[in-house]
Amino acid sequence: AQKVTQAQTEISVVEKEDVTLDCVYETRDTTYYLFWYKQPPSGELVFLIRRNSFDEQNEISGRYSWNFQKSTSSFNFTITASQVVDSAVYFCALKGGKLIFGQGTELSVKP
Amino acid sequence: DTEVTQTPKHLVMGMTNKKSLKCEQHMGHRAMYWYKQKAKKPPELMFVYSYEKLSINESVPSRFSPECPNSSLLNLHLHALQPEDSALYLCASSQGPAKSYEQYFGPGTRLTVT
Repeated sequence: AQKVTQAQTEISVVEKEDVTLDCVYETRDTTYYLFWYKQPPSGELVFLIRRNSFDEQNEISGRYSWNFQKSTSSFNFTITASQVVDSAVYFCALKGGKLIFGQGTELSVKP
Repeated sequence: DTEVTQTPKHLVMGMTNKKSLKCEQHMGHRAMYWYKQKAKKPPELMFVYSYEKLSINESVPSRFSPECPNSSLLNLHLHALQPEDSALYLCASSQGPAKSYEQYFGPGTRLTVT
């Protein structure tokens, strides 16, 4: 069975704080892909990053960074110097066959 | 351009109505998807079209009927819905059905069934 767990239901931070969103996954596939999506209040899911199971290099894109560790089956997402516009629900997802989403973490960044 | 468009943005319908949701993409993607999302929940897959053929139906009730007229368009026909079908309906597309491809989502249609 495939499963994605985002244990943090809600996180609230003050602007400029760093915040890490946790994601733990379960799969028996040897080849799989991990994704992060952002869903602002408008509703559209915005693709942020894709990672394949063979590439454990960390990735940085501006204020966003991702840490993929196969040994702990985790794919965590860090926002540095958070901004109010980062307020959204963030979903981690796993694709073996179909795309399996975690329950999402609602991030609130207060000014 | 990674845009998926959906119409209408909002839809209110009675339980005896027939309506359709529309989705369009011009990225040349060959896989398209319908998801249903309830408040405070992740999206749930409903249907997958691969190369214009229905490849996955996640045991969706027959009151939801998908249609893929061509590679750019995806419709979801609605008939005799129930109030519990009220949700955000998201369309997505990807370059192909393989698991390596990321899916791009549209803004969704917020459906209310009265």
